[in-house]
Amino acid sequence: GQQLNQSPQSMFIQEGEDVSMNCTSSSIFNTWLWYKQDPGEGPVLLIALYKAGELTSNGRLTAQFGITRKDSFLNISASIPSDVGIYFCAGQRVERGSSNTGKLIFGQGTTLQVKP
Amino acid sequence: DTGVSQNPRHKITKRGQNVTFRCDPISEHNRLYWYRQTLGQGPEFLTYFQNEAQLEKSRLLSDRFSAERPKGSFSTLEIQRTEQGDSAMYLCASSLGAGEDGYTFGSGTRLTVV
Repeated sequence: GQQLNQSPQSMFIQEGEDVSMNCTSSSIFNTWLWYKQDPGEGPVLLIALYKAGELTSNGRLTAQFGITRKDSFLNISASIPSDVGIYFCAGQRVERGSSNTGKLIFGQGTTLQVKP
Repeated sequence: DTGVSQNPRHKITKRGQNVTFRCDPISEHNRLYWYRQTLGQGPEFLTYFQNEAQLEKSRLLSDRFSAERPKGSFSTLEIQRTEQGDSAMYLCASSLGAGEDGYTFGSGTRLTVV
């Protein structure tokens, strides 16, 4: 089953507000990824993080790879109506001595609604 | 290249019937993944291929499920004797290498078992 705990489960905000969501795990990950999923579509990659402490931006989105390698957060600044959707964190873990399968473990998602 | 293509987009089937889904990955991608997503949850890994070889299968993939990737190109996922619990979105994704840059997902096939 799922190993990532994502919070909050849902958010309803006013257009223009900033948003923050996070993801925690009991296990260490080598890579953290953030995806957005629109209804009836597959997830689309927003940001990828590779090093503990790394802070990466993509337009109004900023994400950080936690120092402990067990957490990550995503911030969205100045939200707009098209930010509506479900945001997923995903972690990739490579076991020592094993090849990288590329398998991702996803959180349960944060549903974001933006009121114009 | 138009990305990862999945067909059909929607499938409604009666319990006990067999269904097959198809995934066409991005042409130069050597890895192909299948995930299942139920309502309100994130995608869960089912299996993956490197070229034509199926290298890992999740315990979620019961013996009623089989996946193939002949010639390392498109892939099919078949579910035999469908059950209501199989109702979900089945997502395919592809990557070049282990997908450390995050792989590309298709739009999924929504299966409803009635």
